[in-house]
Amino acid sequence: QKEVEQNSGPLSVPEGAIASLNCTYSDRGSQSFFWYRQYSGKSPELIMSIYSNGDKEDGRFTAQLNKASQYVSLLIRDSQPSDSATYLCAVIRYSGAGSYQLTFGKGTKLSVIP
Amino acid sequence: GAVVSQHPSWVICKSGTSVKIECRSLDFQATTMFWYRQFPKQSLMLMATSNEGSKATYEQGVEKDKFLINHASLTLSTLTVTSAHPEDSSFYICSARTYRNYEQYFGPGTRLTVT
Repeated sequence: QKEVEQNSGPLSVPEGAIASLNCTYSDRGSQSFFWYRQYSGKSPELIMSIYSNGDKEDGRFTAQLNKASQYVSLLIRDSQPSDSATYLCAVIRYSGAGSYQLTFGKGTKLSVIP
Repeated sequence: GAVVSQHPSWVICKSGTSVKIECRSLDFQATTMFWYRQFPKQSLMLMATSNEGSKATYEQGVEKDKFLINHASLTLSTLTVTSAHPEDSSFYICSARTYRNYEQYFGPGTRLTVT
């Protein structure tokens, strides 16, 4: 089982709609969860971090975490063409010897259609 | 969010030469920095993890003698690609982790082309 799983997409939504991106993780001991946005040819940009069960809102973005179900999601309200990018789910896992490593999913490509 | 810079943003070098890439955390101290590479349309691949003042930990399959990493201070890490070959051409991205909450920020990346 892959450690962090995402639907690769592409996910297409019309402009103004809500885009819903989902992620599951396998390590039940994971404590920190992140969403990154990566435009083509660019490096990843941290857009949301979440550590507790429930919802966390930041502007048009809402991250949702359910540790019992090992599930993280990202909602993008009022989607804009500029939101078209690959969204990476990332989870901190303990990698031994006091080290913690960020493990990425393969990413979901979002396309917002004008 | 925190800012990580990377220099140069792109470099072209001849086969057999060495290239050094610098990564700096501009507004925070990073005890841990990471180096990734990414080929077109592929996922990020972690190359190594470096902690300030100690030797880097390389991922399996990454040649430590070829990819030299130095993390001399809490704000600077360097990656030197030695004796570069065309197959080393890639997008190299550094990342730095903040003390709190394990948030990890990425530099803008360095596009290396070896001719």
